[in-house]
This record gives sequence, structure tokens and C-alpha cells, in this order.
Amino acid sequence: GDSVTQTEGLVTVTEGLPVKLNCTYQTTYLTIAFFWYVQYLNEAPQVLLKSSTDNKRTEHQGFHATLHKSSSSFHLQKSSAQLSDSALYYCALSGTGNYKYVFGAGTRLKVIA
Amino acid sequence: DAGVTQTPRHEVAEKGQTIILKCEPVSGHNDLFWYRQTKIQGLELLSYFRSKSLMEDGGAFKDRFKAEMLNSSFSTLKIQPTEPKDSAVYLCASSLTIQDTQYFGPGTRLLVL
Repeated sequence: GDSVTQTEGLVTVTEGLPVKLNCTYQTTYLTIAFFWYVQYLNEAPQVLLKSSTDNKRTEHQGFHATLHKSSSSFHLQKSSAQLSDSALYYCALSGTGNYKYVFGAGTRLKVIA
Repeated sequence: DAGVTQTPRHEVAEKGQTIILKCEPVSGHNDLFWYRQTKIQGLELLSYFRSKSLMEDGGAFKDRFKAEMLNSSFSTLKIQPTEPKDSAVYLCASSLTIQDTQYFGPGTRLLVL
């Protein structure tokens, strides 16, 4: 079946340094969309990035991700982490044909001074 | 445009009670999702409706959890009977289609004693 894997439960990074959150997936469907959602403390998840185009970089709020179908990955990166980036990040995919929307387990990002 | 609304925001129930959570999706959205969120399990899909038709009933949650979509602008999630392990945040989300961004409501925080 379809699945999304986020290998790190917690990522801790010092303010100003780069950060990378990993996301890999398995799916049998060709028409798929990928998302990164961010959830700040005591708030609901909200979309950060969306992509469905192979090898195209998508950017928003200083974060970027590139869908690589060859390696089944959609990693989230930022060149300089800010204290305000501390939150829970979910990677997700959706596929037509089976009407599935799959979330990863989530990665908590902690940015320290 | 109004976002997803959920009521109540907080609920305290005794073990064995029946509780009903309510959700109003974004106007014009065709897909509606109910999730349970805990720190240990992350986001767990409870139900998925597409144009008011139940597409996914969450497997393991079938026996005590029942979601209904009474019309295109209102959904309920009934938990009967409640158990302490049901204590969690219940999130409702809606999207235009399965491949679009999900917009989450603020959630209902449920505590079962």
C-alpha cells in the first residue's frame, strides 16, 4: 500500500544553521501530489509546501523541497533555521485512483539559540 | 472565506458516555476528513468523505466511532461509548479534491475520565 516515512522523530538544530527533514514514500500510483504541513504548538496543521512535478523545486517561507521520483523522496530544507521554525512537520501524499491521503508520522523540529 | 470550524473546542466525558463532535468544512470543498491526533500515534485517519459518500471508515476505529455527513456543509463524529484511551485531539479537515491542500479546523480536545 501507500506509505510515507519520516525517519526522524526529533531534529534539533542551532539557530542560523541549515536544516533538512527527510521524507520518503512508497506508492503504486502515478498521479500523486506531495505536501509538507507544519503544526505550531496549540495550533492546527497548515500547508507549507505542495508539489506534484518531478525535479521541480518548490519554495515557501524560506523552506524548499524538490520531488525526486527516482529516489521516492520529498525532503524539506531550509538554509538558515529560525527559532520560530520550531514545530511539528508532516510529510503527506495523495493519490488519485485510490482516493488515499497518507501522512507520515511527523518530525518535531526544535531550533535552539 | 470562513475556514473549517469545529465545536466544541474542549470536551470532558466520563467513561461510557456518548459524545458528538461537529465540523463545518470550507464552503465548496468536496472532501472531508476526521483525524485523531496523539503524541504517540500522530495523525490517524478516522473517516474520509468524498461528496458526502463515505470512502474510508478508518478500519480499527469502526466499532465505537461513527462519522456522518448530514449535508455538504456539516459533519459529526460520534464516539460511543467513550473510553479513557480516546483522550486526544480530534481534527476535522476539508479539501476541494483528494489532490488538494487540506484545511484543518482548530480541533476538539477530548478528555475521557
